[in-house]
Amino acid sequence: NAGVTQTPKFRILKIGQSMTLQCTQDMNHNYMYWYRQDPGMGLKLIYYSVGAGITDKGEVPNGYNVSRSTTEDFPLRLELAAPSQTSVYFCASSRADTQYFGPGTRLTVL
Amino acid sequence: AQSVTQPDIHITVSEGASLELRCNYSYGATPYLFWYVQSPGQGLQLLLKYFSGDTLVQGIKGFEAEFKRSQSSFNLRKPSVHWSDAAEYFCAVGPGDSNYQLIWGAGTKLIIKP
Repeated sequence: NAGVTQTPKFRILKIGQSMTLQCTQDMNHNYMYWYRQDPGMGLKLIYYSVGAGITDKGEVPNGYNVSRSTTEDFPLRLELAAPSQTSVYFCASSRADTQYFGPGTRLTVL
Repeated sequence: AQSVTQPDIHITVSEGASLELRCNYSYGATPYLFWYVQSPGQGLQLLLKYFSGDTLVQGIKGFEAEFKRSQSSFNLRKPSVHWSDAAEYFCAVGPGDSNYQLIWGAGTKLIIKP
């Protein structure tokens, strides 16, 4: 049982480049989330999904897009990378009250 | 405004000593409270949670937390820390039925002295 997996673990982007952060869970959870974690700050919710085909914005959605075509996958898309998007990104899933997190993706935009 | 405050950015304790990490919240409704731990290079893992009932809750790895409504606090404790407890600890509050509404504290980094 792998839980929540994220790829890649690290990535360096140039300003204006695009990329997709992958997230997969094998626990059949309906809820999935994307957070970013900046130094000295709590987690900030970017987007979330309550099930396949349903997504909604969180606290800091600007500059990001998501899709949820299957229960297992919840990719996060950065279209035009900006230095402000340098952060650690966590994907999580839940069925009820407990969230299960992936190991994170450390993204640097230069 | 709804918020979670973890007043200590860093805490250093000696191995074997007791630990208390503070968490204060401001929340309009009855809060559901959580403590998560993030080991270096890892994602977050749930330590314990409080929804209702006994205000002293037990979690994994020997941690416990006490909910004090009058003080709007949910402090995390451990009687004797181990070097493996070195990690960052996050407090979060939410309505319980809507996980996307969790409000997170900024975290407290625990450093263990040998």
